[in-house]
Amino acid sequence: GDSVTQTEGPVTVSESESLIINCTYSATSIAYPNLFWYVRYPGEGLQLLLKVITAGQKGSSRGFEATYNKETTSFHLQKASVQESDSAVYYCALAQITGNTGKLIFGLGTTLQVQP
Amino acid sequence: AQTIHQWPVAEIKAVGSPLSLGCTIKGKSSPNLYWYWQATGGTLQQLFYSITVGQVESVVQLNLSASRPKDDQFILSTEKLLLSHSGFYLCAWSRQENSDYTFGSGTRLLVI
Repeated sequence: GDSVTQTEGPVTVSESESLIINCTYSATSIAYPNLFWYVRYPGEGLQLLLKVITAGQKGSSRGFEATYNKETTSFHLQKASVQESDSAVYYCALAQITGNTGKLIFGLGTTLQVQP
Repeated sequence: AQTIHQWPVAEIKAVGSPLSLGCTIKGKSSPNLYWYWQATGGTLQQLFYSITVGQVESVVQLNLSASRPKDDQFILSTEKLLLSHSGFYLCAWSRQENSDYTFGSGTRLLVI
């Protein structure tokens, strides 16, 4: 079945350092699934951070970037300079679409702790 | 603008007691609705989905049930909680023609 594997947390970095959270996927039900990064800040629900639906394209939001690489089946999340407010849990996900409904397949989530 | 509201925010319940979690979506007619769940240390997984009032499909068997009594309301329930039901429950909606999901703020459930 489809699955998503991402960097095991927690990941601890200092403010202004660079960040990469790895994400690889396996999609057997669909050749080129839509790929997502979601974020959950402390005490809040899940928010969409960025989404890419076309292989080879890059998505960006709030200083984060991720490129859809179909050769390596990866969708790594990167940021050049993190801030303390980026501390959160980050989830990589792919979408299975069936007819007019669908399902998100999530990774386990990566807890990011940014130290001041 | 569409809003999604989940209740309660958190619950502590005894094993064997009943549970009802609610979700309401405002500002969007005929959305697809979903329940997701994350056990401690586990991943988020879809439990139920509904594409129309009165119809709910189960994705994962967890001795839970879901109902959609109104177009904008989705209820998750059980008559007898198990310890394994502890975790974080998220309601979500999407338009029927694409995969953009909007999630609620979630309910944290602890079964003791």
